[in-house]
Amino acid sequence: DSGVTQTPKHLITATGQRVTLRCSPRSGDLSVYWYQQSLDQGLQFLIQYYNGEERAKGNILERFSAQQFPDLHSELNLSSLELGDSALYFCASSVDGFSSTEAFFGQGTRLTVV
Amino acid sequence: QKEVEQDPGPLSVPEGAIVSLNCTYSNSAFQYFMWYRQYSRKGPELLMYTYSSGNKEDGRFTAQVDKSSKYISLFIRDSQPSDSATYLCAMSVSGSARQLTFGSGTQLTVLP
Repeated sequence: DSGVTQTPKHLITATGQRVTLRCSPRSGDLSVYWYQQSLDQGLQFLIQYYNGEERAKGNILERFSAQQFPDLHSELNLSSLELGDSALYFCASSVDGFSSTEAFFGQGTRLTVV
Repeated sequence: QKEVEQDPGPLSVPEGAIVSLNCTYSNSAFQYFMWYRQYSRKGPELLMYTYSSGNKEDGRFTAQVDKSSKYISLFIRDSQPSDSATYLCAMSVSGSARQLTFGSGTQLTVLP
């Protein structure tokens, strides 16, 4: 168990809908990262938050947004969902957001858009 | 062409075999090299971490980096059925987890 908790584990929704994925980082970790894992693209970095502030953006679509709350949990919001958004979404956390390469991953949320 | 190329396998070996997993990359700025292991329905977990060129050994696992060839390897000695998983290489320019570029993963099965 990595100590990173993601909910829900599975989510099935229709095209055009909006969903929220939740992540609780390991105790003491200030940085949260969101990754998307799909069969054709592999694991891709979406966005990073550090202590409540956005730190870096990767290949995140404009329909997606995230935030990190004062208690350091994070939410990833996906809207106007398309079939191609079906993927595993992972949250990872690390102690800091600068030099720490060791990121601990949660078990992921499997999103299926039908 | 992807920045990081990894043979997806699947790779199937008998228990006790030596396993060699490899990745090639095109970005010469990569300085930090990692191997993650991902069991089915689980998140990736960091297995090995290497900075720049050289070898690193941890128990049955050895990671090698050859920056001149842009090639990294993970060797697993005395492979066990519990090693059956997908192995992902990952690389970073700065060392920060936010900049990890992953390979597509190699699915390994160790047969008892």
